[in-house]
Amino acid sequence: EAQVTQNPRYLITVTGKKLTVTCSQNMNHEYMSWYRQDPGLGLRQIYYSMNVEVTDKGDVPEGYKVSRKEKRNFPLILESPSPNQTSLYFCASKPGHGTYEQYFGPGTRLTVT
Amino acid sequence: AQKVTQAQTEISVVEKEDVTLDCVYETRDTTYYLFWYKQPPSGELVFLIRRNSFDEQNEISGRYSWNFQKSTSSFNFTITASQVVDSAVYFCALAPTGGYQKVTFGTGTKLQVIP
Repeated sequence: EAQVTQNPRYLITVTGKKLTVTCSQNMNHEYMSWYRQDPGLGLRQIYYSMNVEVTDKGDVPEGYKVSRKEKRNFPLILESPSPNQTSLYFCASKPGHGTYEQYFGPGTRLTVT
Repeated sequence: AQKVTQAQTEISVVEKEDVTLDCVYETRDTTYYLFWYKQPPSGELVFLIRRNSFDEQNEISGRYSWNFQKSTSSFNFTITASQVVDSAVYFCALAPTGGYQKVTFGTGTKLQVIP
């Protein structure tokens, strides 16, 4: 089954404790992206990757890091989480060629206290 | 810069009523794509439609229809005879043509269908 998986689905952590949210897709997609969803603000792009070792900032990259060492994986790293990073996070992927719809993961609900 | 505006934050309708969700966009690109996604209460994001800026024909899929008007930069979504299962947050999105371009989402419209 074609899918994007994220782990963990729920996470409660404390300020400053480094964490990683994993994202993996099995569709051989070149393009992967991270979004955060906040009430009244919709989906905002954090980072995206056009292929292995190629990443770029989205609209709200501050406080986040990403890496793309393998085509299927695109982890989101919060080196020193803060309460304003409490949000619902979505990973997405799509084919790199053409302008296609994105396939979204199930989301990760992160709470930073 | 791209921008997508969904001015309706929340809409409530009674079941079987028709409802239209508005989407207005801004872009300097001459070719682009528009999308609609649905986010039901369970939280996942579900793709509904993709439309190329060259194609201004309206599209109908069952109870769903989309009205694309380039002249007014709008891509509105109508649900006919709404059902409780239509209750969700709906997002409109815009992307320039090309596989690696940034996608811009609107802030979403929460639709509540009351039985």
